[in-house]
Amino acid sequence: GNSVTQMEGPVTLSEEAFLTINCTYTATGYPSLFWYVQYPGEGLQLLLKATKADDKGSNKGFEATYRKETTSFHLEKGSVQVSDSAVYFCALGYNTDKLIFGTGTRLQVFP
Amino acid sequence: EPEVTQTPSHQVTQMGQEVILRCVPISNHLYFYWYRQILGQKVEFLVSFYNNEISEKSEIFDDQFSVERPDGSNFTLKIRSTKLEDSAMYFCASRGQGNYGYTFGSGTRLTVV
Repeated sequence: GNSVTQMEGPVTLSEEAFLTINCTYTATGYPSLFWYVQYPGEGLQLLLKATKADDKGSNKGFEATYRKETTSFHLEKGSVQVSDSAVYFCALGYNTDKLIFGTGTRLQVFP
Repeated sequence: EPEVTQTPSHQVTQMGQEVILRCVPISNHLYFYWYRQILGQKVEFLVSFYNNEISEKSEIFDDQFSVERPDGSNFTLKIRSTKLEDSAMYFCASRGQGNYGYTFGSGTRLTVV
């Protein structure tokens, strides 16, 4: 079946460090891929998305590229801030179907 | 920017009681969902709803759960007889056509004691 695998956290970084959170997926066909972010005490917010192979989603300095050959959608940011501390969820979905989430990766950024 | 609104933000209930979680989806959206997140775990799909009927449900969504869109604006999740293991954050989501219009609400934290 379809699934999403994320690297386990927490990921602990100093401010201005480079961030990578790995995400790989197993799916048939051509799903869309998403990164959602959950700040402490808040709900899920869409961070970025990619709807087809080789698409790059980007938002707020975060980027992820849909790599069909490696079935990956790794999240990257060149310079993290304390305010980026949150839980990040990778997810996949089809046209009108549910989203399938990974287990989430907690990011902690220290000044 | 349009929002999905969920009420209440936090509900505490006694085991065995019925609870209704409420959601107001974005007005022109057609697909509605409930997800839940047990503390520290992944977000899990519960049910999807389209054209006034359930289109898909997960194994979690047993006979104790039901959904309703009673008046064309609200979308509710009812748990008939709550169990301790129902304690979780429940997220409502809605979306229009296409696969990139999901909007989640901020969640209702349900605590069963």
